[in-house]
Amino acid sequence: DTGVSQNPRHKITKRGQNVTFRCDPISEHNRLYWYRQTLGQGPEFLTYFQNEAQLEKSRLLSDRFSAERPKGSFSTLEIQRTEQGDSAMYLCASTGSLANTGELFFGEGSRLTVL
Amino acid sequence: QQQVKQSPQSLIVQKGGISIINCAYENTAFDYFPWYQQFPGKGPALLIAIRPDVSEKKEGRFTISFNKSAKQFSLHIMDSQPGDSATYFCAATYTGTASKLTFGTGTRLQVTL
Repeated sequence: DTGVSQNPRHKITKRGQNVTFRCDPISEHNRLYWYRQTLGQGPEFLTYFQNEAQLEKSRLLSDRFSAERPKGSFSTLEIQRTEQGDSAMYLCASTGSLANTGELFFGEGSRLTVL
Repeated sequence: QQQVKQSPQSLIVQKGGISIINCAYENTAFDYFPWYQQFPGKGPALLIAIRPDVSEKKEGRFTISFNKSAKQFSLHIMDSQPGDSATYFCAATYTGTASKLTFGTGTRLQVTL
C-alpha cells in the first residue's frame, strides 16, 4: 500500500511531556498537510508544506507546536509540553501541486491522549 | 467562525432508503465542494465533489445537489446500504488556497437492515 502513512497510530502521554508524530506522504505528492480532529468534529487545518517550505500555519498551531518537512518528503509534528486539550487525532494528508482542488489523500491518523 | 455548517449530526436510515445530508457555507469565494467519507479508525477519503458551475453531480448511488444562490449543498445516498455506515463530512475550499479544506462537523450515518 503506497498511501499516506502515519506513526505512531496511538500515543498516550502525561501532561507536560513532548510528543512527535511522523507522516510519510504519497511519494509523488509535494504538498503535505496536517489537520487536527477532535471527537464529533470535522478535521481542522493546522499547517501545510509545499516541498520543504511551510507555507501556512493556522492560529490553532500554538508556539508549542512545530512541524517540519526537512527534505520535502516525510514530515514531523512535534507538540511540546502537552496539555489535555491537545488530545485529538492528528491527520496528515498529501496531494500533488497540480491538484488545486480539495482532493487530499489522508492517512489513518495518530491519536494522542494526554493524561 | 464556522464557515461550513452541516446537518444532521446523526442519521439512521433503513437499507434501501435515501440518506440526505445538508451543508451550508458562508464564504462566497468557495469554489470547490468535496464530500469525504470516514470509517472508524480510518482517515477521511474523498467520495464525490462539485464545483458551483453545475447544480448536480452524480456518481453511482451518490449525488451532490448544489444551490449557489442559497449557498447550500447536499449529499444524497440512494439505495443506502449497511456498508455506507460511516461519518460523512462536507468541505469547501477555493482556488488559490492550495487545497486547504474547511470541513463541516460531520454526520454519522447508520444504515440498518
